[in-house]
Amino acid sequence: GAVVSQHPSRVICKSGTSVKIECRSLDFQATTMFWYRQFPKQSLMLMATSNEGSKATYEQGVEKDKFLINHASLTLSTLTVTSAHPEDSSFYICSARDSLGRAGGGELFFGEGSRLTVL
Amino acid sequence: QKEVEQNSGPLSVPEGAIASLNCTYSDRGSQSFFWYRQYSGKSPELIMSIYSNGDKEDGRFTAQLNKASQYVSLLIRDSQPSDSATYLCAVSSGYSTLTFGKGTMLLVSP
Repeated sequence: GAVVSQHPSRVICKSGTSVKIECRSLDFQATTMFWYRQFPKQSLMLMATSNEGSKATYEQGVEKDKFLINHASLTLSTLTVTSAHPEDSSFYICSARDSLGRAGGGELFFGEGSRLTVL
Repeated sequence: QKEVEQNSGPLSVPEGAIASLNCTYSDRGSQSFFWYRQYSGKSPELIMSIYSNGDKEDGRFTAQLNKASQYVSLLIRDSQPSDSATYLCAVSSGYSTLTFGKGTMLLVSP
């Protein structure tokens, strides 16, 4: 299947700092990428839809000023958690679809995830 | 609001048995259906996709779709301890984002 790479896989930071997570589609172009958050023993929660060359679409309850998303190219989207606090500690996962449709009927491929711990 | 329902489990089966995972969805306009496997602490991995009514087999996995009943299932034959994970059902209509169920935890005992 298609490959989505996410970096860093694990990050620990102090409260108040900002953290950037990168998501890359390695072998396909992705006009749309999705950012999810998952707390322990809970389901995936869609945070926002990242659109190449335009503003991201945020889900209800997700602060767009806190979770900055940039999708500057067809293969890269970044999520920046600004002024992180302990309650932002979570597993952040990006996903993407193959824009050319080679993956078939719209399967999402996930990055490896980034575990954020805010002290 | 689009909903995808799964029994949270855990579903416990002995090694070698058939594990049956079920999922119902609310949006009749749904067109694409997926099963993802997620190991603890890892991101989801796509294992099956199905788009039309009936069965689709891939190795030990069989996905079953019944659009009239708004029901999709995943059968795992000859279950192995390595199959122990949370299985997520996901549904989409057209090219929209996927709606995920909360997942069913499967435990396969040796």
